[in-house]
Amino acid sequence: GAVVSQHPSWVICKSGTSVKIECRSLDFQATTMFWYRQFPKQSLMLMATSNEGSKATYEQGVEKDKFLINHASLTLSTLTVTSAHPEDSSFYICSARGPGDTQPQHFGDGTRLSIL
Amino acid sequence: GESVGLHLPTLSVQEGDNSIINCAYSNSASDYFIWYKQESGKGPQFIIDIRSNMDKRQGQRVTVLLNKTVKHLSLQIAATQPGDSAVYFCAEGTGGSQGNLIFGKGTKLSVKP
Repeated sequence: GAVVSQHPSWVICKSGTSVKIECRSLDFQATTMFWYRQFPKQSLMLMATSNEGSKATYEQGVEKDKFLINHASLTLSTLTVTSAHPEDSSFYICSARGPGDTQPQHFGDGTRLSIL
Repeated sequence: GESVGLHLPTLSVQEGDNSIINCAYSNSASDYFIWYKQESGKGPQFIIDIRSNMDKRQGQRVTVLLNKTVKHLSLQIAATQPGDSAVYFCAEGTGGSQGNLIFGKGTKLSVKP
């Protein structure tokens, strides 16, 4: 149980392109989802927290107009990197937490984004 | 600011030995701690968690120890196997498992056959 699916797993695109990444909870409803960014050999950095039906909460230093987050249902959150540039290249990982006060975050397998 | 860090960035152990991965945290208000395993190119995989009202919790081949006095967390892996090779992250949070997590820097565990 508690499977989180992330799609696509790998994206290569030209500078200026907008890229959408999907995060789905497959066997549970996720009231809260999280988006992280991870650089090579580094830890996970929280970018934003999204709650179903409300606006995302962004961490300090994360541009909300650059990284658009939508959490329209209890099983789907999307991250759109708008007008991506090479410095946006990174490993983006989502996690989902089910309802209740005992559920840990479960992670997807990440999306490797490479901007040329 | 608060931080979660690890004492050892790399750990190499012989197959069959026990592994101990350590983690220090600085936020005394943290009440929830969790360990994840991350294999190359994949997302973190939940291993075990512990709340601040406990000092020990056991899972299958893994044990987490929490010492609030010195703000120290450890993950013990019994009879380490090659499949345990990965990067291990500790993370802390407040507000139980409902709060946001702050991740440590990670320890790479290498298991020699």
